[in-house]
Amino acid sequence: GAVVSQHPSRVICKSGTSVKIECRSLDFQATTMFWYRQFPKQSLMLMATSNEGSKATYEQGVEKDKFLINHASLTLSTLTVTSAHPEDSSFYICSASRTDTQYFGPGTRLTVL
Amino acid sequence: GQQLNQSPQSMFIQEGEDVSMNCTSSSIFNTWLWYKQDPGEGPVLLIALYKAGELTSNGRLTAQFGITRKDSFLNISASIPSDVGIYFCAGQREGAQKLVFGQGTRLTINP
Repeated sequence: GAVVSQHPSRVICKSGTSVKIECRSLDFQATTMFWYRQFPKQSLMLMATSNEGSKATYEQGVEKDKFLINHASLTLSTLTVTSAHPEDSSFYICSASRTDTQYFGPGTRLTVL
Repeated sequence: GQQLNQSPQSMFIQEGEDVSMNCTSSSIFNTWLWYKQDPGEGPVLLIALYKAGELTSNGRLTAQFGITRKDSFLNISASIPSDVGIYFCAGQREGAQKLVFGQGTRLTINP
């Protein structure tokens, strides 16, 4: 149990376009989901906490208008990177919380050309 | 943001050797978690610790929640090639949803 999926696993886009990443908890309901960003050879950096039915809470320094988060159901949260630029290229990972333990998705590799 | 102090940063060992890594913090955590991340994948939960002093095993993995609640260690016995990866510790404070992560320990195994 506690399986989390992400889609797509990889995406390449042109600078200026928007990209949506989906995070789903497959076998449990998650009131809270989290979005992380990970640079090569570094630890996970929390971007925002997503609560079902309410606005996401963003970490300091993360632009909420740049990284739009929607948590419309207990099994789905989406992260939209708007007007993507090469510096947004990174590995984005979501997690879903079940009984206060976070279970991670497989990640999405975003490359912005 | 705050990170836990995880050491060592990297380890190069022979297959069959035992491995030990640890995490320390200047503040108290109520939950300690250990995750493993393979290249290009998300972290996978290995062991969760909820009580000071708790010692928990998962196959060849053993982890302990320090008595002071400011540290935790992870041991891997008789390492095998599939143990290669990056191991992260994470702490969670009481009533908090967010995790604080260590910098990771990169494990490389020579066959």
